[in-house]
Amino acid sequence: EAGVAQSPRYKIIEKRQSVAFWCNPISGHATLYWYQQILGQGPKLLIQFQNNGVVDDSQLPKDRFSAERLKGVDSTLKIQPAKLEDSAVYLCASSLETGGTYEQYFGPGTRLTVT
Amino acid sequence: KQEVTQIPAALSVPEGENLVLNCSFTDSAIYNLQWFRQDPGKGLTSLLLIQSSQREQTSGRLNASLDKSSGRSTLYIAASQPGDSATYLCAVQMDSNYQLIWGAGTKLIIKP
Repeated sequence: EAGVAQSPRYKIIEKRQSVAFWCNPISGHATLYWYQQILGQGPKLLIQFQNNGVVDDSQLPKDRFSAERLKGVDSTLKIQPAKLEDSAVYLCASSLETGGTYEQYFGPGTRLTVT
Repeated sequence: KQEVTQIPAALSVPEGENLVLNCSFTDSAIYNLQWFRQDPGKGLTSLLLIQSSQREQTSGRLNASLDKSSGRSTLYIAASQPGDSATYLCAVQMDSNYQLIWGAGTKLIIKP
């Protein structure tokens, strides 16, 4: 079974530029998550999709971050314009309910550096 | 508001030792608790998931325990190996939603 795919793996941009990340979840997983992980911290949920609908985006900075999940499969996360504090690893995860528990499977992440 | 704490932030032990990683949480009304491993440049890998009704889970050399009443979980690693070097994170899932609430992790180094 193929895992969660993310691209690019690394990205360096200057502040005020735009950037987009892509995620392809495990086939058949209805739920998709985007996390931001700042160095030395645990991941912070940015947005959660159930199929192509948003379940939770309460921690997404909507003035600069946007995300979509077209057709309930792939997803993109965009930052426009980027700030220095956006430097982090952006993790995508997907899940399929198993026995009533949503176990999440993570991609390798995209490391973003904003200079 | 649920808060998850992992102490220490870093731990270094010689190869072969048994060790315990700690995770504490402030709200005992959790749905489950998970332990993850994170290797540099890689994503997170789920190690063990303990349902709120369970006391422990085991997988190979790993054993995770859960004491909801005291708000604590431990991850026990037996006969540590250099390949166990990684950051270990715990996360809790609350009853009313599916969002994971994460600790900051413990960076473990096993010295050959």
